[in-house]
Amino acid sequence: EPEVTQTPSHQVTQMGQEVILRCVPISNHLYFYWYRQILGQKVEFLVSFYNNEISEKSEIFDDQFSVERPDGSNFTLKIRSTKLEDSAMYFCASSEVAGGEQFFGPGTRLTVL
Amino acid sequence: DQQVKQNSPSLSVQEGRISILNCDYTNSMFDYFLWYKKYPAEGPTFLISISSIKDKNEDGRFTVFLNKSAKHLSLHIVPSQPGDSAVYFCAASSGTGNQFYFGTGTSLTVIP
Repeated sequence: EPEVTQTPSHQVTQMGQEVILRCVPISNHLYFYWYRQILGQKVEFLVSFYNNEISEKSEIFDDQFSVERPDGSNFTLKIRSTKLEDSAMYFCASSEVAGGEQFFGPGTRLTVL
Repeated sequence: DQQVKQNSPSLSVQEGRISILNCDYTNSMFDYFLWYKKYPAEGPTFLISISSIKDKNEDGRFTVFLNKSAKHLSLHIVPSQPGDSAVYFCAASSGTGNQFYFGTGTSLTVIP
């Protein structure tokens, strides 16, 4: 069964460093998303991406964040200068149609020290 | 701004009994709702969905009920099994966007 994959599973970084979280969405899906979940809190939407453009983003997704689809399979989230409060689980998701069921990856746990 | 709320952080149910998980929302523009199940160290897994044109959707042991006037939905699991023990999130979206708003989750424990 096709699934969304994410690497790495755990990333530890120093405050101020750049991190890139990687995702491989399901191959025939066209819509891609990033969410995050701070420990003990709800899953929060960050950004949606379609046709090589951001289609929607939340207020969390500020200038420190960027997304890219560098090739036909990967979808990345970059945080330019990490802050302590960026520590969270980051989930990638993809869907076949706009507003449709989103399939989530297993997540990357980001720890900022 | 908590647009989707799950007021019960945890629920314990005996195996074989019914589990009822509740979710409330505030945005009347929401027209598509999903339930996700999440095990520790895994991403959310889609369970069942319902659109606002329906008030009930059933899939095996799982049934979702939608009460639009009360802005309330619930997930019923019958009969509950120990493998159902997980955190359950409800999520909602409006037809105008792709963003899903998640509740804070309810941790279900099914006791054998």
